[in-house]
Amino acid sequence: DAGITQSPRHKVTETGTPVTLRCHQTENHRYMYWYRQDPGHGLRLIHYSYGVKDTDKGEVSDGYSVSRSKTEDFLLTLESATSSQTSVYFCAIGTGYGYTFGSGTRLTVV
Amino acid sequence: AQKVTQAQTEISVVEKEDVTLDCVYETRDTTYYLFWYKQPPSGELVFLIRRNSFDEQNEISGRYSWNFQKSTSSFNFTITASQVVDSAVYFCALIGRTDKLIFGTGTRLQVFP
Repeated sequence: DAGITQSPRHKVTETGTPVTLRCHQTENHRYMYWYRQDPGHGLRLIHYSYGVKDTDKGEVSDGYSVSRSKTEDFLLTLESATSSQTSVYFCAIGTGYGYTFGSGTRLTVV
Repeated sequence: AQKVTQAQTEISVVEKEDVTLDCVYETRDTTYYLFWYKQPPSGELVFLIRRNSFDEQNEISGRYSWNFQKSTSSFNFTITASQVVDSAVYFCALIGRTDKLIFGTGTRLQVFP
């Protein structure tokens, strides 16, 4: 009964192709976040949303776009995937009172 | 700007040893929240503790304890009598007024039998 799910869990794509990752929540949280995790860098914030159609950039937003057309879904798009975007991507929901993370999406760009 | 520093990249201990994971943070906000998360080899992120900036009381939960000191901007995590199951990557995180949850780079803890 996870309140947050990510899809797909794994994906291999070719350089230059567009890729969309989906984060779905059933908790009706206002705030949603996308992070990438890379060795030596921890989790770095890509984009976050504070409401439907309200989004803002994080520290590593170049090459990524997001959309949130309804409360429960937060999409992360790589318009033209590059090898440097090979990573594990995590979605999170919550506020200062606590955050819940999805299981992650392992994306490989070849 | 907000920043979280976990200077210890990797720590190795033998079972039953005590180990402390350091976390130093930077923020200009007076109201903020600090977190610790555990990431076991399976990859999920497991919430351990949340502390707000107005509560400097130390906390103990079983073998885990946390020391929050605003004077040194530190929120350190101690595992007493470590066990092999404690092997994981541990992340410290901070959020203030900007609504951006910022993580440190993590500390990999290896506990050997």
